[in-house]
Amino acid sequence: EAAVTQSPRNKVAVTGGKVTLSCNQTNNHNNMYWYRQDTGHGLRLIHYSYGAGSTEKGDIPDGYKASRPSQENFSLILELATPSQTSVYFCASGDRDRGHERLFFGHGTKLSVL
Amino acid sequence: GEQVEQLPSILRVQEGSSASINCSYEDSASNYFPWYKQEPGENPKLIIDIRSNMERKQIQELIVLLDKKAKRFSLHITDTQPGDSAMYFCAASPGYQNFYFGKGTSLTVIP
Repeated sequence: EAAVTQSPRNKVAVTGGKVTLSCNQTNNHNNMYWYRQDTGHGLRLIHYSYGAGSTEKGDIPDGYKASRPSQENFSLILELATPSQTSVYFCASGDRDRGHERLFFGHGTKLSVL
Repeated sequence: GEQVEQLPSILRVQEGSSASINCSYEDSASNYFPWYKQEPGENPKLIIDIRSNMERKQIQELIVLLDKKAKRFSLHITDTQPGDSAMYFCAASPGYQNFYFGKGTSLTVIP
């Protein structure tokens, strides 16, 4: 199975602090995604990338930046963390398959902003 | 409104019975419908998917039905086992980089 690795698995941050969530994939997939998962909302797209050097805004990008320095790595950056950003964050890579895309998710990062 | 509505949000069934989860979508351009299973503390994993050129797909105890006219699709788990207890998410995709996820169904299979 495709491998998507996130770090850290758990993070506690202070309000106003900077947080960087990292994601690495060994599948050579072009597309990568950052989602957040909150009770009652399911998975919501924050940022995505078509490949190295590209980042695109998803449905809820406010308060987040993204960086894709290489095919393998995709980071999510919270420059000024707020308690409303407490959530579980999932990274995914996308595999194109006969006109559709299958997503492979990492194990998630649980972020608490105090 | 929601792009994908998923019901029920909570489902409890007896072991050996069937479980059904229903999703409806708004974007008529959606042509790919995956289902993900997420166990506690784990990542969502693709368990079955269906494309718009199909109405039914089965993988072992998992059955997916698609009604494009009604813009509805559903997951049916037959002969449920305790290992089927998890959160299930449906999604609708009109194309690459574009997925609308349902809010999830928490399934508990009671032994």
